[in-house]
Amino acid sequence: EVQLLDSGGGWGQPGGSLRLSCAASGFTFSTSIMTWVRQAPGKGLEWISTISSSGKDSFYADSVKGRFTVSRDNSKNTMFLQMNGLRAEDTAIYYCAKDDRLDHWGQGTLVTVSS
Amino acid sequence: DIQMTQSPSSLSASVGDRVTITCRASQGIDDFLAWFQQKPGKAPKSLIYAASNLQSGVPSKFSGSRSGTKFILTINSLQPEDSATYYCQQYKFYPLTFGGGTKVEIK
Repeated sequence: EVQLLDSGGGWGQPGGSLRLSCAASGFTFSTSIMTWVRQAPGKGLEWISTISSSGKDSFYADSVKGRFTVSRDNSKNTMFLQMNGLRAEDTAIYYCAKDDRLDHWGQGTLVTVSS
Repeated sequence: DIQMTQSPSSLSASVGDRVTITCRASQGIDDFLAWFQQKPGKAPKSLIYAASNLQSGVPSKFSGSRSGTKFILTINSLQPEDSATYYCQQYKFYPLTFGGGTKVEIK
């Protein structure tokens, strides 16, 4: 069974940093594209970033480009999202998902950015 | 960027009804279209990928179709547990983009 466990959310100050993790199991992580999606309170879904299976290639939404960095450790079946330069508008539930067609999702982790 | 225009934004239907939700892409995306169901407080769940392929474990009451850049999600025999918000998503081009969502309520 595919399982994705998001963690690392919490409170961050404007301009501060947080690091999210997504622990994967139940599939061959090292051959899977992985994606981050977020959802602001009461809003729709917003794609944030996708990383290739090897980690060599990554793609970002304009809203986070230059501030967020996606990475992965295939030896630990884990993907990361380093979030720097946090803004109030980054407040959202962050989900990791498998592949670019998002066939499985984590439970989400809440990030709140506030002074 | 590919714009995904989803309609209606909300609908109310009775138990047993057939419901259709439409998503239109601003340019051709072939069959690179997925549909998701999200219930309040829960993560989205994949229903359909490649426009018309049912995700494993999803009931056959859900179906997807495509005509050009127009995609349709159909829910047959609507039940109370189908009350949710439904999203489409294209994965042909980056940035990946979602429709605005359709909230389905039961009368």
